[in-house]
Amino acid sequence: DIQMTQSPSSLSASVGDRVTITCRASQGINSCLVWYQQKPGRAPKLLLYGASILEGGVPSRFSGSGSGTDYTLTIGGLQPEDFATYYCQQYYTTPRQLTFGGGTKVEIK
Amino acid sequence: QVQLVESGGGVVQPGRSLRLSCATSGFTFTSYGLHWVRQAPGKGLEWLTLISFDGSQKYYADSVKGRFTISRDNSKKTVYLQMNSLRPEDTAVYYCAKDQETVVIRGLIDYWGQGTLVTVSS
Repeated sequence: DIQMTQSPSSLSASVGDRVTITCRASQGINSCLVWYQQKPGRAPKLLLYGASILEGGVPSRFSGSGSGTDYTLTIGGLQPEDFATYYCQQYYTTPRQLTFGGGTKVEIK
Repeated sequence: QVQLVESGGGVVQPGRSLRLSCATSGFTFTSYGLHWVRQAPGKGLEWLTLISFDGSQKYYADSVKGRFTISRDNSKKTVYLQMNSLRPEDTAVYYCAKDQETVVIRGLIDYWGQGTLVTVSS
């Protein structure tokens, strides 16, 4: 089974900061990676898929990159509404297995 | 707009059963695969199961295989999760969710319900 490891597990940042979150797969996943944003008490929201394709309606300050086993989510200019927990998820092994990373909580400094 | 509304959560004793329902609207139900994902209190997301657009394919995470069963009623636009032999570690918010791709299961979730809380406790 593919394991997904996110880092850091939490970070503190200020409005306007550039933030990078990393997700590492235990084996290559051929860019079959999704990023979700979740706010407290709410369902996750799709941000990017295919490692770098922005979902419609998602602000362009969110971007994704990576290949093979290593992927990053970058928020270029943190906004107050971006304070949330972010999860990566691989879908390379669809439909047999889908795996989420452990999450990264972005907090206000 | 796309909506998924879960129901059926509550408090249940260990070893007992519970069935969750997820009523949907706003998309062509018969064209999409559907998932159940859960989140234990203060923890991350865990994918549990998915069912293909026509119900012919079902897949389960090892943690629930043999205990949980996913099904769908295309006439009611509803997906179900039958949970048997419940354990305290099954306590979580359970989300139903829609796959992004039509017919083919992509494993990429584009819409989620608001979730329903299941608490397994004596």
